[in-house]
Amino acid sequence: DAGITQSPRHKVTETGTPVTLRCHQTENHRYMYWYRQDPGHGLRLIHYSYGVKDTDKGEVSDGYSVSRSKTEDFLLTLESATSSQTSVYFCAISDWFSYEQYFGPGTRLTVT
Amino acid sequence: SQQGEEDPQALSIQEGENATMNCSYKTSINNLQWYRQNSGRGLVHLILIRSNEREKHSGRLRVTLDTSKKSSSLLITASRAADTASYFCATDTQETSGSRLTFGEGTQLTVNP
Repeated sequence: DAGITQSPRHKVTETGTPVTLRCHQTENHRYMYWYRQDPGHGLRLIHYSYGVKDTDKGEVSDGYSVSRSKTEDFLLTLESATSSQTSVYFCAISDWFSYEQYFGPGTRLTVT
Repeated sequence: SQQGEEDPQALSIQEGENATMNCSYKTSINNLQWYRQNSGRGLVHLILIRSNEREKHSGRLRVTLDTSKKSSSLLITASRAADTASYFCATDTQETSGSRLTFGEGTQLTVNP
């Protein structure tokens, strides 16, 4: 998985609790992305980062925030988890010279 | 709404046959990419075709792009059981560095031994 790890890989949490997912890369790539994958919707972009401390919103950013304090780490936070945020979350990376994205193994999040 | 839409949603073939998947999109693009996802895994990049290209090959993969029809197709020749996976097209409208991909819902390909 191209030097990308995600943690945790599985998480069950209760509605209303904050949750943070971590993406860590060892490729020193500039761009990092968070997607969610749901049946019938494919992958949808939540937030992305184009450098340390530089982030922007994607298609489905409501209820999510991100932070990137180091090149290698991109954190996704669910401020107050809801059942509609039950999904599989994927992190991806790409570099300035390439349009291809490389994906992590995913985090399966269940909000009860 | 999704930029890319794949057709068919599911495809079942026998080993050795060819598999063709189609993707349609709505807006102008910089490039179009195809990814594969095995069950329970992350996506793996297969091939990228730029907006000024019409056809591209990589091993048993052949991708075509028709920008006038806003459509692309992925052909897998001489399929193998190991090709069983979901295949996604993704359109990139970013013209500068980096990419902003919009994915379709995918085609589930099953190759029967």
